[in-house]
Amino acid sequence: KNEVEQSPQNLTAQEGEFITINCSYSVGISALHWLQQHPGGGIVSLFMLSSGKKKHGRLIATINIQEKHSSLHITASHPRDSAVYICAVRGNSGGSNYKLTFGKGTLLTVNP
Amino acid sequence: ETGVTQTPRHLVMGMTNKKSLKCEQHLGHNAMYWYKQSAKKPLELMFVYNFKEQTENNSVPSRFSPECPNSSHLFLHLHTLQPEDSALYLCASSPPPADPSYNEQFFGPGTRLTVL
Repeated sequence: KNEVEQSPQNLTAQEGEFITINCSYSVGISALHWLQQHPGGGIVSLFMLSSGKKKHGRLIATINIQEKHSSLHITASHPRDSAVYICAVRGNSGGSNYKLTFGKGTLLTVNP
Repeated sequence: ETGVTQTPRHLVMGMTNKKSLKCEQHLGHNAMYWYKQSAKKPLELMFVYNFKEQTENNSVPSRFSPECPNSSHLFLHLHTLQPEDSALYLCASSPPPADPSYNEQFFGPGTRLTVL
């Protein structure tokens, strides 16, 4: 079982819909990252969270440390949001705190 | 565009070939990483270099040989690969602890490798 589990694996939405992608993890962490990967491969960091909630434009990320759970929300989704969204956690044990453990990603397709 | 570049972007090689992947960043970062991304699997950390010193080798087969001549450049030398090594190979870098973005990793576009 992967230490970082994402759901759903695939998500198809119509333009304008509200999107939620979930991430659960089983280890102690110092931070959680949400990443976006477009076709072609490049990965861009969207958020880094250690508590609470962050918002950037139409994207909102929340984390519940006690429940070991994070969500990424997209409001008013658009076809250009189509990408793979990856959750990654940073460990909190000594020398491994630079290491990221990744989920398998959620493939989001937003249709016009 | 994150400031991390990788060449080539695509590579097809036979099992007996020797090739190298290159990663470059001029962001002043001190740590550089190689990741492997296979279909349907999470990103796997392969190697970490910190100030040119290898600090992590995640049980990677010896047919993958990293080289970090300076903090701005990272290579992955490939020889006698297997078809199952076909994947997207991503390079990343991160800034030193004094930088506000210390916990961020900045990824390159990746090299799509196909081993025939």
